[in-house]
Amino acid sequence: GAVVSQHPSRVICKSGTSVKIECRSLDFQATTMFWYRQFPKQSLMLMATSNEGSKATYEQGVEKDKFLINHASLTLSTLTVTSAHPEDSSFYICSAKEQGVTEAFFGQGTRLTVV
Amino acid sequence: LAKTTQPISMDSYEGQEVNITCSHNNIATNDYITWYQQFPSQGPRFIIQGYKTKVTNEVASLFIPADRKSSTLSLPRVSLSDTAVYYCLVGRNTGGFKTIFGAGTRLFVKA
Repeated sequence: GAVVSQHPSRVICKSGTSVKIECRSLDFQATTMFWYRQFPKQSLMLMATSNEGSKATYEQGVEKDKFLINHASLTLSTLTVTSAHPEDSSFYICSAKEQGVTEAFFGQGTRLTVV
Repeated sequence: LAKTTQPISMDSYEGQEVNITCSHNNIATNDYITWYQQFPSQGPRFIIQGYKTKVTNEVASLFIPADRKSSTLSLPRVSLSDTAVYYCLVGRNTGGFKTIFGAGTRLFVKA
């Protein structure tokens, strides 16, 4: 299957700082990328959907000014958690989908810990 | 978006066949059914996808009845390494459609 690479795999940051997470599609053009958050023992929660070159569409309850998403190219999307707080600590996962292909492929996830 | 319902958890033994059924009563005409596997602290991994009848690949089979209101993921001869959470998703083949995850089924394979 197609490969989606997420970086970093884990990051620890101090409260009030910002953290950027990258999601790359390595062998296909990702016209659409999705960002999820997952808390322990829970399912994935969709945060936002982004199409290349367009503004992201955020799910209800997700602060767009706090979780900045950029999808500037067909192989790269970034999620920036701004002014991070301990409650933002979670497992963040991206997925990417190619136009005309029915499956979405996932990155390996990023464990964010805010101290 | 079609809502999916799966058993919360299942137990099995090594070597057995495991069938996980997912209900999706309000599936739309254009919707596909996709199953993912997730291990702790990893992103979900695509297992199989189908639209109707039966689909088989090297790791699993997917059975979809004619009314498409349910589907069954079949894992032949499971091993300990198949212990994971399995998610059933229903969605359209259009650019930008959301992939919404339900609660999933936690499969525990015992020796």
